[in-house]
Amino acid sequence: DSGVTQTPKHLITATGQRVTLRCSPRSGDLSVYWYQQSLDQGLQFLIQYYNGEERAKGNILERFSAQQFPDLHSELNLSSLELGDSALYFCASSVEGSITGELFFGEGSRLTVL
Amino acid sequence: AQSVTQLGSHVSVSEGALVLLRCNYSSSVPPYLFWYVQYPNQGLQLLLKYTSAATLVKGINGFEAEFKKSETSFHLTKPSAHMSDAAEYFCAVRDYGGATNKLIFGTGTLLAVQP
Repeated sequence: DSGVTQTPKHLITATGQRVTLRCSPRSGDLSVYWYQQSLDQGLQFLIQYYNGEERAKGNILERFSAQQFPDLHSELNLSSLELGDSALYFCASSVEGSITGELFFGEGSRLTVL
Repeated sequence: AQSVTQLGSHVSVSEGALVLLRCNYSSSVPPYLFWYVQYPNQGLQLLLKYTSAATLVKGINGFEAEFKKSETSFHLTKPSAHMSDAAEYFCAVRDYGGATNKLIFGTGTLLAVQP
């Protein structure tokens, strides 16, 4: 158990819909990262937050957005869903300020868009 | 910019045989390198990490990796494969120097272990 909690574990929805994925980081971790894992793209970095502020943006579509709340949990919002958005979405957290520290990953949210 | 390349998307070994998973890195700054394992329907779990303290790094489950600057490599090895090692393995490099310290992952290597 990494200490990172993601909900829901599985989600099936239709094209054009909107979903929200939730992540609770490890206790004490201020940084949250979102990654997308798909068969054709591999593990792609989407976005990083630190203590409520956006730190870095990767290959995140404009239809996607995220935020980190004062209690440090984070949400990834995916809208106008397309078939190609079907993927496993991971959240990870880390101790800020350590470049040698690892990221701790949740078990992921598997999104299927039909 | 930092990146990692994993050679071989699929590797198959016999139980008891040597496991060798290849990772080469490219980095404009001193690299910090990681190996993660992903079992089916699970998240990523850290196997080991290189933080410049020692070039030979020992990890969990009998895995180890050697950092070779001259070859820009960080290959993962295990002397004797076990059936339970069947999983996908990811090499990663830390992207740092700016506001972020995210990890950049390779494309992964799926390890199959034959009885």
